[in-house]
Amino acid sequence: SAVISQKPSRDICQRGTSLTIQCQVDSQVTMMFWYRQQPGQSLTLIATANQGSEATYESGFVIDKFPISRPNLTFSTLTVSNMSPEDSSIYLCSESTGGRPGQFFGPGTRLTVL
Amino acid sequence: AQSVTQLGSHVSVSEGALVLLRCNYSSSVPPYLFWYVQYPNQGLQLLLKYTTGATLVKGINGFEAEFKKSETSFHLTKPSAHMSDAAEYFCAVSAGPTGANSKLTFGKGITLSVRP
Repeated sequence: SAVISQKPSRDICQRGTSLTIQCQVDSQVTMMFWYRQQPGQSLTLIATANQGSEATYESGFVIDKFPISRPNLTFSTLTVSNMSPEDSSIYLCSESTGGRPGQFFGPGTRLTVL
Repeated sequence: AQSVTQLGSHVSVSEGALVLLRCNYSSSVPPYLFWYVQYPNQGLQLLLKYTTGATLVKGINGFEAEFKKSETSFHLTKPSAHMSDAAEYFCAVSAGPTGANSKLTFGKGITLSVRP
């Protein structure tokens, strides 16, 4: 299984600022995904990130608010822009590769916006 | 479009008792089905998956699940609960194993409590 790390593990930010979350995989993967888990809720997919192409966003999520980079096959970043308290969530990245069904998840980044 | 329904938000069992967590899905294509577990303050761990073939799948920690197409269900069971099983459990579905089809749609999750 792939080992995925995320930085930071948690952060407390002020309203109106931006935070960039890093996701590092220990092997090359085809696709990476970013999910949001709001307090007490399930996971919702924000976007899918392919290396070398623009991320594909799900309904309700836009690039201006959640810009994503995918510079190579082992790394991706998600930025939460112009944050408000409603952005307080856990943000998780995951990966999918080859013909292996299922995804492995990073430990998550717990974000609190004041 | 795909969706997952996990009825109820909390299940409590005694240690040693049967664990049954229900999951029903909706999918316009043959589904790929997953159960994930999330321990407090941790990420998600894959318990087991159904892709094709045998409908009874076994996973880690003694869990298993059975795919029933006629009932559109994928319920998770464990014969004997252990205190360490207390966690949040999520059922998820995807339309395929790779590429954009592999994106997951999750149910709301069920909190499992285990009483001594």
